[in-house]
Amino acid sequence: DAMVIQNPRYQVTQFGKPVTLSCSQTLNHNVMYWYQQKSSQAPKLLFHYYDKDFNNEADTPDNFQSRRPNTSFCFLDIRSPGLGDAAMYLCATKRTGTDTQYFGPGTRLTVL
Amino acid sequence: GQNIDQPTEMTATEGAIVQINCTYQTSGFNGLFWYQQHAGEAPTFLSYNVLDGLEEKGRFSSFLSRSKGYSYLLLKELQMKDSASYLCAVKGGGATNKLIFGTGTLLAVQP
Repeated sequence: DAMVIQNPRYQVTQFGKPVTLSCSQTLNHNVMYWYQQKSSQAPKLLFHYYDKDFNNEADTPDNFQSRRPNTSFCFLDIRSPGLGDAAMYLCATKRTGTDTQYFGPGTRLTVL
Repeated sequence: GQNIDQPTEMTATEGAIVQINCTYQTSGFNGLFWYQQHAGEAPTFLSYNVLDGLEEKGRFSSFLSRSKGYSYLLLKELQMKDSASYLCAVKGGGATNKLIFGTGTLLAVQP
């Protein structure tokens, strides 16, 4: 089945230790999004790729970076995780001209 | 500014009907989504309204009034598995379809 896959599902890292979360999709969608969702809060858009074009949200900290080496894969790099970065990170994809974003299962990040 | 309001929590009884309301004030509007999110899982798509009126899909229906900045999600014949958070999200303008999410309504279905 075509889907959005996120690995790992659970990630534990230490304060200040860089971590990378991955997202892959078999839907051949050209738009990919990264959201941060803290407990009992709404998903917050960090950035998105429209094809290869990177679009950063104005309030996304510089600590968060992203790479999209090809259509199928997108990575979220947190350069120096702080305790406040513990959250669920959601990847979503969409095809231009359609309306619905499809979400992956998320990666829950714990920062010790 | 961007503002989406939903009740924080609701409780309903198995087999009953529940209506979850959402009001929004956004700088652009190109449609409204409802997503279901079980604890610890990703949001899953439920419905999309871009024109005024009611969209029915099985036990779930969604209504939109653009002039009032208002939507609701109606769940019929509630089942225990419907216990989840329900997120209202407004699609902004532009080609990238940015979604602005509300904080969600946590629905508890009781026997």
